[in-house]
Amino acid sequence: DADVTQTPRNRITKTGKRIMLECSQTKGHDRMYWYRQDPGLGLRLIYYSFDVKDINKGEISDGYSVSRQAQAKFSLSLESAIPNQTALYFCATSGREGTDTQYFGPGTRLTVL
Amino acid sequence: EDQVTQSPEALRLQEGESSSLNCSYTVSGLRGLFWYRQDPGKGPEFLFTLYSAGEEKEKERLKATLTKKESFLHITAPKPEDSATYLCAVREGAGSYQLTFGKGTKLSVIP
Repeated sequence: DADVTQTPRNRITKTGKRIMLECSQTKGHDRMYWYRQDPGLGLRLIYYSFDVKDINKGEISDGYSVSRQAQAKFSLSLESAIPNQTALYFCATSGREGTDTQYFGPGTRLTVL
Repeated sequence: EDQVTQSPEALRLQEGESSSLNCSYTVSGLRGLFWYRQDPGKGPEFLFTLYSAGEEKEKERLKATLTKKESFLHITAPKPEDSATYLCAVREGAGSYQLTFGKGTKLSVIP
């Protein structure tokens, strides 16, 4: 089984709709991250969390919110989706010790019409 | 100005034709340089972490090296299954856990 899972894997929605993307991990890591990837722009950090009570904004947090329901679960919400939020979204996790290397989930392809 | 620049944007190689990908960075206080491989429609897969100039790491046909201003990912005798986009990311500053990614190099290895 995959260490980092994301649901849904694909989602098509309409402008103005609220949508939630979910991430779960079995790696036992404390730290979790949400990124978006756009062609020609690379991966950009949206939010990150070091534990259940610690949430931090990343480079591009406007229009997004997050919830850390448990150590293993981190959700990303788009309160009112807009077309320029069409992108690939990735969740990542890292441990507290050692290299702090981030490990990525398989991604969610989101299309906002 | 981009903090992490990868070149070339795309590279086509014949099977067995060795080459190198470049990642140059302008951050100060580097706390780690990371290489990932990404296949189409999938999440980035971790390859290497480098911390200090002169450090080298190898995995199968891949070898990553680091200087004070750039990193190279050397691919020796590549195979078609090495085709992917290779991403470079840096972490800077004490206490920072954010990664800044380059835009990647898309590698195609032709049989």
